[in-house]
Amino acid sequence: QKEVEQNSGPLSVPEGAIASLNCTYSDRVSQSFFWYRQYSGKSPELIMSIYSNGDKEDGRFTAQLNKASQYVSLLIRDSQPSDSATYLCASRDYSSASKIIFGSGTRLSIRP
Amino acid sequence: EAGVAQSPRYKIIEKRQSVAFWCNPISGHATLYWYQQILGQGPKLLIQFQNNGVVDDSQLPKDRFSAERLKGVDSTLKIQPAKLEDSAVYLCASSRDRVQETQYFGPGTRLLVL
Repeated sequence: QKEVEQNSGPLSVPEGAIASLNCTYSDRVSQSFFWYRQYSGKSPELIMSIYSNGDKEDGRFTAQLNKASQYVSLLIRDSQPSDSATYLCASRDYSSASKIIFGSGTRLSIRP
Repeated sequence: EAGVAQSPRYKIIEKRQSVAFWCNPISGHATLYWYQQILGQGPKLLIQFQNNGVVDDSQLPKDRFSAERLKGVDSTLKIQPAKLEDSAVYLCASSRDRVQETQYFGPGTRLLVL
């Protein structure tokens, strides 16, 4: 199993709906998780981080962490066309906390 | 505050040639990272510097890749000789310190090896 795994998509969601992005992880990563957004041809930007079990909300974004099942998710409410991008799930390496390991990303498309 | 600067933005070379990329991190950021992002994949860490010292270079193909950050500020990543599979975007990122979570990425250098 890879350290951080994501479905590559594409995930197509109608405008205004909730987009749900999922990520599973192995025991080789720590309990710090990040969601990055990457527009086509651009560099990644951090949009959410989560460290504790449960939900963390920031505007239209909610990150969810379930340590027992080893998955982390990102919900985007009221999806907008500007949310169309690749979303990268990431975590810190268990043996080297300053090293971030990225998943391969899920491509999200919001259709008007 | 100026962001992470990288140059060149695009580079096309033939296999077996050499190439160098430059990165200037955000002022005051002690930690600098070089990532390789192949199309359809997430970024993969190649090397991490803390000031001018190497923290992690476990995934750097040292037979052909080298990097330096001599004065603890800007950094250069070199590939010599390049292979076809080196075609990727090379991203530089910086953070204030090793444990600060936010890494700020530069625009990247898109490399095509023919």
